[in-house]
Formats: sequence, C-alpha cells, structure tokens
Amino acid sequence: DVKVTQSSRYLVKRTGEKVFLECVQDMDHENMFWYRQDPGLGLRLIYFSYDVKMKEKGDIPEGYSVSREKKERFSLILESASTNQTSMYLCASSQPTQPQHFGDGTRLSIL
Amino acid sequence: GNSVTQMEGPVTLSEEAFLTINCTYTATGYPSLFWYVQYPGEGLQLLLKATKADDKGSNKGFEATYRKETTSFHLEKGSVQVSDSAVYFCALSLYNFNKFYFGSGTKLNVKP
Repeated sequence: DVKVTQSSRYLVKRTGEKVFLECVQDMDHENMFWYRQDPGLGLRLIYFSYDVKMKEKGDIPEGYSVSREKKERFSLILESASTNQTSMYLCASSQPTQPQHFGDGTRLSIL
Repeated sequence: GNSVTQMEGPVTLSEEAFLTINCTYTATGYPSLFWYVQYPGEGLQLLLKATKADDKGSNKGFEATYRKETTSFHLEKGSVQVSDSAVYFCALSLYNFNKFYFGSGTKLNVKP
C-alpha cells in the first residue's frame, strides 16, 4: 500500500514564525501536492510538484512556498505565519494518470 | 471554469437507510470523476472513480454513475452502516489526474 506520511498531526506556532510542514511518500510517485482544508471550502490546492526541484502554484499560493529536493519528500513552508493560516494541511502524491493518495493531515494552529 | 458542487450536510440517517449524496460539476474538458471519503482524524481515501460518461464506479457497497447529460456523479448506497459515518468529497480531475477540483464535502452521520 502507498504510504504518505506527514511529520506532525498537530502543530502550534506563533504569528511571524517560519513554519515547515514535511511530507514523505514511499512509492516513488512523480507528483506531490499540498492542500489546505477548511470547513465549507473543501480542499484547496496550494502548490504541486511533478518532479524534483519542479513546482507549480495552485489556487492559493500566497504566503506559502515549497521545496522538493528529493523525489520522496515535499515540504510546505509558511514564510511568516499568520492567524489566517490556521487550518488542516493535507499532502498527497500520485503517479501521472493515477488518483492521488493522501496523508493523515497536519492540524496547524497559529496563535 | 472547473468546479464541483455537493449537497450541504450534515446528512443524518438511521442504520440500513438508503443514502444519496448529490454531486454536480462543471468542467472545461472531459473530466474523470471521483468520490473520496475522510474518516475522523484521517486523510482522504479514494472510494470510487469513473473516467468516462456512463461509467459506474463501485466499492464497499457505494456506487456512482457518470452522467454527462446532467453533469452529475451522485453517490448512493443501499444500506448504510454506522461505520460509514465520515465526510465524503466529490472531485473531478483533468490533465491526466495532475489537477483535482474538490467539492466542499458532505458529512454523513449514521445512527444505530
């Protein structure tokens, strides 16, 4: 089975901090994705990557950046955390032409 | 543009009741359609998919038929169980599954 592992289930940070969310997949997938999930809004794509060192903006990239130095790892970075970035963050991976597999999510609170 | 609209929840049913969760979509091309399920405290899991018009996806007693004429992909189950309590997301994908569009999710509560 595909395993997508997010480094933290719960995280509490302070406004202005630089925050790193890590995601690792074990199936050699080409594509990796970061979403945020908010009540009533579903999942919104922040960034995705289709190869090492490649990235593309999703629908809501503002305030975020990403890093993919190795194929199995995709990091989401909040450059200067703000309270409106309090949310559930979901990482996913897939092969091209295949559905996405999701991690269990990181619930991030910015105080 | 591309979007997915789901019925708002929560939906509350008694065990063994019939379930329908409505989903309609708009798409600029020929999408593939999906239902994902999210159990409490977990990420999303693929429940079923359909890749072309008139296809029926099915899994674990759930079914959905890709209806191009009505741009719909409604989720159905004949007899729900308490263990089906979860949030269900309808989604479409274009461009070889590299881009997904999710609905807002429908929470299902099944009472014993």
